[in-house]
Amino acid sequence: GQQVMQIPQYQHVQEGEDFTTYCNSSTTLSNIQWYKQRPGGHPVFLIQLVKSGEVKKQKRLTFQFGEAKKNSSLHITATQTTDVGTYFCAGRYRDDKIIFGKGTRLHILP
Amino acid sequence: SAVISQKPSRDICQRGTSLTIQCQVDSQVTMMFWYRQQPGQSLTLIATANQGSEATYESGFVIDKFPISRPNLTFSTLTVSNMSPEDSSIYLCSVEVWAGPYGYTFGSGTRLTVV
Repeated sequence: GQQVMQIPQYQHVQEGEDFTTYCNSSTTLSNIQWYKQRPGGHPVFLIQLVKSGEVKKQKRLTFQFGEAKKNSSLHITATQTTDVGTYFCAGRYRDDKIIFGKGTRLHILP
Repeated sequence: SAVISQKPSRDICQRGTSLTIQCQVDSQVTMMFWYRQQPGQSLTLIATANQGSEATYESGFVIDKFPISRPNLTFSTLTVSNMSPEDSSIYLCSVEVWAGPYGYTFGSGTRLTVV
């Protein structure tokens, strides 16, 4: 069935270190979206990737969509305390169904 | 992107009672989505609400437990009926905005605790 696996579940990094979270689907996606949820907050849309091999950047955040459109990653360079939160990917399938990954909770150690 | 007002923001309810959650969007949208997020977990779609038709429920969710209304293109309600402690969760409404790559916009959520 349709499933989006996201790893790691938790990540602790020192402030200034890099961080990466990965998402993988067993079947091809139409697109993938990324969201950030701050502690106590609601998910906020970050970006959508549509094209095979697409790479998009938002300041220190780099998003990639795999060539086969089955996997994606979010990389944060030089983390800051404001990056704390849970990062979710959400894969959209050809039947228009959207499945959220379980999220990666990022903790920043000062 | 759309702005969603969701209320209540939190509630503590007795088991066996019902709670109705409201979402108001600042623009007309065809579909509204209701999600559940259990503490520390991912988002699970409960149902999709279209104006003028019955909501479409995902596997594991039924209309008797989670009745949804969608009286117009800017408003929807989700009722959690005959609540039990297992219903304690965060409930979120959401819309998808097509004007620009805005993805899904979520309401601020309703944190429900059933005692």
